[in-house]
Amino acid sequence: GAVVSQHPSRVICKSGTSVKIECRSLDFQATTMFWYRQFPKQSLMLMATSNEGSKATYEQGVEKDKFLINHASLTLSTLTVTSAHPEDSSFYICSAPDGGLAGESYEQYFGPGTRLTVT
Amino acid sequence: RKEVEQDPGPFNVPEGATVAFNCTYSNSASQSFFWYRQDCRKEPKLLMSVYSSGNEDGRFTAQLNRASQYISLLIRDSKLSDSATYLCVVNMGGYQKVTFGTGTKLQVIP
Repeated sequence: GAVVSQHPSRVICKSGTSVKIECRSLDFQATTMFWYRQFPKQSLMLMATSNEGSKATYEQGVEKDKFLINHASLTLSTLTVTSAHPEDSSFYICSAPDGGLAGESYEQYFGPGTRLTVT
Repeated sequence: RKEVEQDPGPFNVPEGATVAFNCTYSNSASQSFFWYRQDCRKEPKLLMSVYSSGNEDGRFTAQLNRASQYISLLIRDSKLSDSATYLCVVNMGGYQKVTFGTGTKLQVIP
């Protein structure tokens, strides 16, 4: 099956600094990628839809100036958490749908996630 | 009403038991449906897609009822390794975003 990688897998940073997380589709092209956040014992919450060559679409309540998304190529999307605070500590996961033909169900392939801890 | 609703559980069942999870969705235009499994501190992994005709994969059976807008997952002969959180996922079609249920936690007990 398709593979999506994320880097880094874990990061610890100080409050006020910025952290960049990369999401790559390794063996397929992804014009769309999704970014999620998951707090302990909660479900995944969609943060934004990353679109190659255009602006990301953010879900209600997600600050676009704080969570910068850049989808620079068909295989790479980055999420930058700017001026991170302890409440931003979470598990961040990306996914990319892979489907060949119009009308098919698009399975989501998930990256392994990035665990961010802000001290 | 949430877009996708699941009973959070936990479901504690003995090994060998049969357990069923249900999931309801609110948008009748939803086109594709999936069950994912998520182990603690890991990313979700696809368990199976759900088709209108129902589908089976070994001990797992998934069904879709469009009229009532619910999806089910049946696990037979539960194994200890089935312990995980099971996520119901609904897609509006194509590259549109998916919506996750809150997940149902299953604990299989020896």
